[in-house]
Amino acid sequence: GQQLNQSPQSMFIQEGEDVSMNCTSSSIFNTWLWYKQDPGEGPVLLIALYKAGELTSNGRLTAQFGITRKDSFLNISASIPSDVGIYFCAGQLREYGNKLVFGAGTILRVKS
Amino acid sequence: ETGVTQTPRHLVMGMTNKKSLKCEQHLGHNAMYWYKQSAKKPLELMFVYNFKEQTENNSVPSRFSPECPNSSHLFLHLHTLQPEDSALYLCASSQGALQGEAFFGQGTRLTVV
Repeated sequence: GQQLNQSPQSMFIQEGEDVSMNCTSSSIFNTWLWYKQDPGEGPVLLIALYKAGELTSNGRLTAQFGITRKDSFLNISASIPSDVGIYFCAGQLREYGNKLVFGAGTILRVKS
Repeated sequence: ETGVTQTPRHLVMGMTNKKSLKCEQHLGHNAMYWYKQSAKKPLELMFVYNFKEQTENNSVPSRFSPECPNSSHLFLHLHTLQPEDSALYLCASSQGALQGEAFFGQGTRLTVV
């Protein structure tokens, strides 16, 4: 199927460390989106990417749309306790009518 | 305030009950969606509405019945659910159907007993 492989599944890091997570697929995507979900809340859009090779920042967050259109990564610099949550990648598949397909999420925990 | 409001936030229902979930968006979007989020699984798209018309039904069992009276409101009517239907049900909206950024509500945590 139209599967996104998101890794890592979870991370437990020290406050101040940088974080990196990524999503890969065998399919080509038109759009990559990164969301964060806090406990008991819905996902909140962090960054949207629309062009292959695009690199976009939002504060301490940086995300890139892979050149091959099959992957994307999200970096968080100098993590803080409020970065805790689940991060999801989502992509719109050209061959799937532009439906949003979601990764399984990366659970981020931060030690103070 | 996310612009997409869901009620109730929590719902516990028996397998013979009938209940409805409500979603309202204040963003002027034309498309609305229902997603199901189960533990340790990717979000599953259930239904898509574009300008009040259902354009997508992702093989969802008939015990889930959506209704979209206008572009700002979306309902999910529930009846004779199963315990495995327990999940977080998320509503989302976007400017166009299946295009660009989707904005999510806070979800309804449903428990079927």
